[in-house]
Amino acid sequence: DIQMTQSPSSLSASLGDRVTITCRASQRMSTYLNWYQQKPGTAPKLLIYAASTLQNGVPSRFSGSGSGTDFTLTISSLDPEDFATYYCQQTYSSPRTFGQGTKVEIK
Amino acid sequence: DVQLLESGGGLVQPGGSLRLSCAASEFTFSSYAMSWVRQAPGKGLEWVSTISGTGSPTYYADSVKGRFTISRDNSRSTLFLQMNSLRAEDTAIYYCARDAGAFTSPTDFWGQGTLVTVSS
Repeated sequence: DIQMTQSPSSLSASLGDRVTITCRASQRMSTYLNWYQQKPGTAPKLLIYAASTLQNGVPSRFSGSGSGTDFTLTISSLDPEDFATYYCQQTYSSPRTFGQGTKVEIK
Repeated sequence: DVQLLESGGGLVQPGGSLRLSCAASEFTFSSYAMSWVRQAPGKGLEWVSTISGTGSPTYYADSVKGRFTISRDNSRSTLFLQMNSLRAEDTAIYYCARDAGAFTSPTDFWGQGTLVTVSS
């Protein structure tokens, strides 16, 4: 099974800050890496797929990069709507696996 | 807009069974793989199972293999999850979700979830 390790598990940031979340896979998986945002009490929302492709309707301040084992989600300028928990997920092989999540909080 | 509406959750005793349903609308159901993802209270996301648009192949997490069965009825645009031999650790919100394509595709739409509680 591919293990996904996200870091940090939580972070505090201010509006306008640049935020970076990393996700490391236990084995190479090309670019079969997706990022989701989840706000309390709601279902997850797809942000980025195939490591770097922005889902329709997602603001351009979100971006993704990486391939192989190391991936990054970047928020270029933190907006009030961005305070949430973010998960990476690999769909390279079964079982699909998620990272443990990164909670982005207001400083 | 894509709509996914789960039902069938509730309280069940350990060792019991439950069948979840997910009614899909506003897209061609048979053209998409579908998945179940769960989230235990206060915890992260856990993928449970995926089924292709035709009904085969199917995929399962090791934690549910042999106890859960995913299926679909394309004529009724409905996804199912039959859960047997339920354990306390199966307590979670279960989300029905649409995959954008094959197994390697991302999950692009999610239902609002149905809560399953396994307790005596």
